[in-house]
Amino acid sequence: GAGVSQSPRYKVAKRGQDVALRCDPISGHVSLFWYQQALGQGPEFLTYFQNEAQLDKSGLPSDRFFAERPEGSVSTLKIQRTQQEDSAVYLCASSSGRRGYEQYFGPGTRLTVT
Amino acid sequence: DQQVKQNSPSLSVQEGRISILNCDYTNSMFDYFLWYKKYPAEGPTFLISISSIKDKNEDGRFTVFLNKSAKHLSLHIVPSQPGDSAVYFCAARGGTSYGKLTFGQGTILTVHP
Repeated sequence: GAGVSQSPRYKVAKRGQDVALRCDPISGHVSLFWYQQALGQGPEFLTYFQNEAQLDKSGLPSDRFFAERPEGSVSTLKIQRTQQEDSAVYLCASSSGRRGYEQYFGPGTRLTVT
Repeated sequence: DQQVKQNSPSLSVQEGRISILNCDYTNSMFDYFLWYKKYPAEGPTFLISISSIKDKNEDGRFTVFLNKSAKHLSLHIVPSQPGDSAVYFCAARGGTSYGKLTFGQGTILTVHP
C-alpha cells in the first residue's frame, strides 16, 4: 500500500511568513508523529497524535508552532512568523496500534527561511 | 542532554565484510530500540528493532545486539553491500514520553566495491 506522503516537498518562505506542511499517514495508522531534522543531526521529536488527540506536544520549540489532526487522518503542521532558525527538514511518521513502536516516515518537507 | 549517542560520524567498509554500527544510551526507561537507514532526500526507512527484554534480533543480513548493563546496542550487517551505503540512525522509544522516538546523530556508512 501507499506509504506516508508529505507536501510540499520543498518550501521557501520569507522570514515572517506563515507556512503549512501537510502529512498523509499510512491508511489505518492511528498514531502520527512530527519530527524536525537539522542538517547533520538526527530527527528531533515535535509532537504526537493518537487519532485526533494530541497526546504530547512537548517538543514544539515555541508557540509559533501548531499541529492539528482534526479527523484523525491527515495532519498539518503550521509555523507562524517563520524565523531563519526554523529552516530544517520536517518529517512526519505514522504507526499502527499493534506494533506502535515501529514508525514509518514520509520523505519530509525541506523548509528554507530566507 | 543527549540520551542516545552514536559516537562514530562515519564508517568505511569493504564489500563482503561486516559493518558494525554502535549506539549508546543513558535512559534506562527506554523499552524498544530501532535502527533506521536514510538515503539523501528521503525519509528514514525502518530496518530492525529490538525489545529491551531481548539481547539479539536477526533479520536476514541485519542483526541487532543489545547490552542493557552497558546501555549499548550495535547493528551488524553481514555481508555488506554497496547499496547499504547510507546514514544509519539508532532510535529509542520510551522514557518520559511513551510515543516519541529519541534519535542518535547518525553514522554515515560507506561500502566500497
